[in-house]
Amino acid sequence: DVKVTQSSRYLVKRTGEKVFLECVQDMDHENMFWYRQDPGLGLRLIYFSYDVKMKEKGDIPEGYSVSREKKERFSLILESASTNQTSMYLCASSSGGGTTSYEQYFGPGTRLTVT
Amino acid sequence: AQSVTQLDSQVPVFEEAPVELRCNYSSSVSVYLFWYVQYPNQGLQLLLKYLSGSTLVKGINGFEAEFNKSQTSFHLRKPSVHISDTAEYFCAVRKYSSASKIIFGSGTRLSIRP
Repeated sequence: DVKVTQSSRYLVKRTGEKVFLECVQDMDHENMFWYRQDPGLGLRLIYFSYDVKMKEKGDIPEGYSVSREKKERFSLILESASTNQTSMYLCASSSGGGTTSYEQYFGPGTRLTVT
Repeated sequence: AQSVTQLDSQVPVFEEAPVELRCNYSSSVSVYLFWYVQYPNQGLQLLLKYLSGSTLVKGINGFEAEFNKSQTSFHLRKPSVHISDTAEYFCAVRKYSSASKIIFGSGTRLSIRP
């Protein structure tokens, strides 16, 4: 069965802390994504990666960075957390290559609160 | 650029009643279309997708959607809803030529009343 796991379901951090959110997929997918979900705004893409060590900015990359050292793992980093980064963070993955990457598979999400 | 509009942020319906969740998209190129569902405290899962062929697409849990190219719409329907359908529903679009990026709508919260 397809599986995307995220390191934490709930996380509380203080302003200014460095925060790591981890995502692991077991489907050998090339593409991985980080979204944030806020009420009334849907899902907004932060960063995505189409290969190991490759990354591209999404629609709202400011204040975030990512790391992909292994194919199955994609990390989101908040260098200095701020209260406006309180949100639900969703990781997803999809197969790569041309027209085959139709569907994204999602993890359960991490609800991050920055105080 | 593409965009996706879900016209209703919330839709309340009675159990066993029919429901339609509306979705319109804008794109100057051909697209793939998706509906995802998010149950409380869970991630998103695919409900159905339109890639090509028949414009009426059937998905899981009795849902179906119809692609209307002239109206650039992809409305989701179910003839009789159940309490278990309470969730948030997201319409999404992907360009044929896109590397993999999907654009999501803002979501419609479906609440079922007994």
